[in-house]
Formats: sequence, structure tokens, C-alpha cells
Amino acid sequence: DQQVKQNSPSLSVQEGRISILNCDYTNSMFDYFLWYKKYPAEGPTFLISISSIKDKNEDGRFTVFLNKSAKHLSLHIVPSQPGDSAVYFCAASALNDMRFGAGTRLTVKP
Amino acid sequence: DTGVSQDPRHKITKRGQNVTFRCDPISEHNRLYWYRQTLGQGPEFLTYFQNEAQLEKSRLLSDRFSAERPKGSFSTLEIQRTEQGDSAMYLCASSLMASGSGTDTQYFGPGTRLTVL
Repeated sequence: DQQVKQNSPSLSVQEGRISILNCDYTNSMFDYFLWYKKYPAEGPTFLISISSIKDKNEDGRFTVFLNKSAKHLSLHIVPSQPGDSAVYFCAASALNDMRFGAGTRLTVKP
Repeated sequence: DTGVSQDPRHKITKRGQNVTFRCDPISEHNRLYWYRQTLGQGPEFLTYFQNEAQLEKSRLLSDRFSAERPKGSFSTLEIQRTEQGDSAMYLCASSLMASGSGTDTQYFGPGTRLTVL
């Protein structure tokens, strides 16, 4: 049962433009959401998170938006940089249960 | 470097052999998690420890898999009688779950890539 879905396996964006990565979840018990970034041959690196009591969290170029009624979250990266090219995983957590999406490969072209 | 470390980074073994992986979490973290990741998928939860107690195991964790965290610090994951389907990246993560806190940010190690021939 895939409770967290990232429906776009890949995304290509021009440097300087906005990257928007999307994630949908089905379990309404999830109350904490995270985005991780993964380079090849490395483990996922924590990027940004949001609690279910908020609808937006911003950290520098990265902003996460949460729409609880739609069970949808998104990560905005602006401006996108070539170094942002990686696989991005969204994760959703309820108590001790964390589920990950399958990832979206972001390519930022110079 | 005070991040999560894992050893070895790569392991190639023959089917039927036993393998053991080690994870050293961030020192003050009380929780330690094991995940498995296969190509094109996100990490899948295997098990986790709160200090030395193993509190949850996924149904993915067959009886050939065992994990320990004897002193509440490092952890080992052993796979007995390996099968080709065990080939994957095994990730360890740790977190500091404060009492009464509902949030749990996990920090991952670099992973151990297992190849079973």
C-alpha cells in the first residue's frame, strides 16, 4: 500500500527558474512531513519539514506547502541551481511510522 | 564528522552466506532506524530502536533478518542465508525523539549496498 506518492518520476528545470515537486498522501493520520534530497551513492539528506499545524514553512530557497484537505504537499525551490540536481523524496510520518515516496529526479540545466 | 556512519559501504556476497552491517548513529540520538531501498523506490522501513529496545519490526523483516542495538548506541543488522532478492541499499537513520514531541526528523547514513550473487 503506497501511502505516499510522488507521481512525477522526473522534472527538468532551467537554472534560475522555480522547481515545484509534488507529493500526495492517503493516510490522514500523518502529522509531520519531510523532504529529503539524495545524491548518487549517498544516503538521503534532510532538507525541510512541516508540521500538520502549519501550511507553509520556508528555509532560504526552499519552501514546503501543505494542503491537508487535499492531502498534498509540495516543495518549491527558487531560484533553482545546477547543484540542486538530485532525487527528492517526500516522507510522511505518524507516531513511529514514516513512509517515503518513490522520489522525483530533478535536473536543473545551466 | 558527527553524522550517521555505516560500515561497510559495499558488500558483495554469495547466495546463502550471512552478512552483518553496522550503523553508528549521531551520538546523542536515542532512536535508530533501518530501511531498505531498491532501485526506483523510496526507503522502506524495516525496524527501529528506542535506545536499546527494538520497538517495531516491519513485515518486510523476515526471520532471516535480525537487528540489535545492545548498548543503545551502535546497531547491527544481520541477514542470514542471503537470497538474491536481498540485494538492495540498506540505510540507517537516527533521530532524537524528545519526550512529548510529536515530530521525528531522521538523519540518514550513506547506506550499505548489498549485492547477492
